[in-house]
Amino acid sequence: DTGVSQNPRHKITKRGQNVTFRCDPISEHNRLYWYRQTLGQGPEFLTYFQNEAQLEKSRLLSDRFSAERPKGSFSTLEIQRTEQGDSAMYLCASSSTTGGDTEAFFGQGTRLTVV
Amino acid sequence: AQRVTQPEKLLSVFKGAPVELKCNYSYSGSPELFWYVQYSRQRLQLLLRHISRESIKGFTADLNKGETSFHLKKPFAQEEDSAMYYCALRAIGQGGKLIFGQGTELSVKP
Repeated sequence: DTGVSQNPRHKITKRGQNVTFRCDPISEHNRLYWYRQTLGQGPEFLTYFQNEAQLEKSRLLSDRFSAERPKGSFSTLEIQRTEQGDSAMYLCASSSTTGGDTEAFFGQGTRLTVV
Repeated sequence: AQRVTQPEKLLSVFKGAPVELKCNYSYSGSPELFWYVQYSRQRLQLLLRHISRESIKGFTADLNKGETSFHLKKPFAQEEDSAMYYCALRAIGQGGKLIFGQGTELSVKP
């Protein structure tokens, strides 16, 4: 599968613990996005990178959330001191700004459950 | 504020019936509009975009700027069309982020 890859697929953690998710985008894509999706809702934008630069963060991204894309390839999303309200599906997507096709391709997501 | 509204959470039709999934948007400029689909146990994928004006799997969608709508239509639904459908807006010059609606679950019964 050469699409967007996310790991782990599922994560169960206790409230107060830190968790980290990884996203591997399509290799030639320079943009990478993180979204969060809660039950019964559409995906909500969290943040995005162009190469290694984080260019926008949503107000949804509290201080407990941090994202990195150190070499402009894979990205990590860390949540510190998890709360039950953080339980959601975290989606990653990637796209290219070159070549004319700017379609965003999504990964299968990481489902986080905070107990 | 940019917003996408899908008024129906669930749409249930019989095979062969016409389908219309509604999408309304709020945006002051000229947006790009998309329909994404998520089949059971699969990832979110692009179905169609307004700028291409094409028909994918028999689905079409026309952007109506006067009514700020981008409804998805298919004349004859098939059982394999059963899925979650999300309407999304992309604002020009905002880095490509997508604003999604709440989604509509389409159930096509035999």
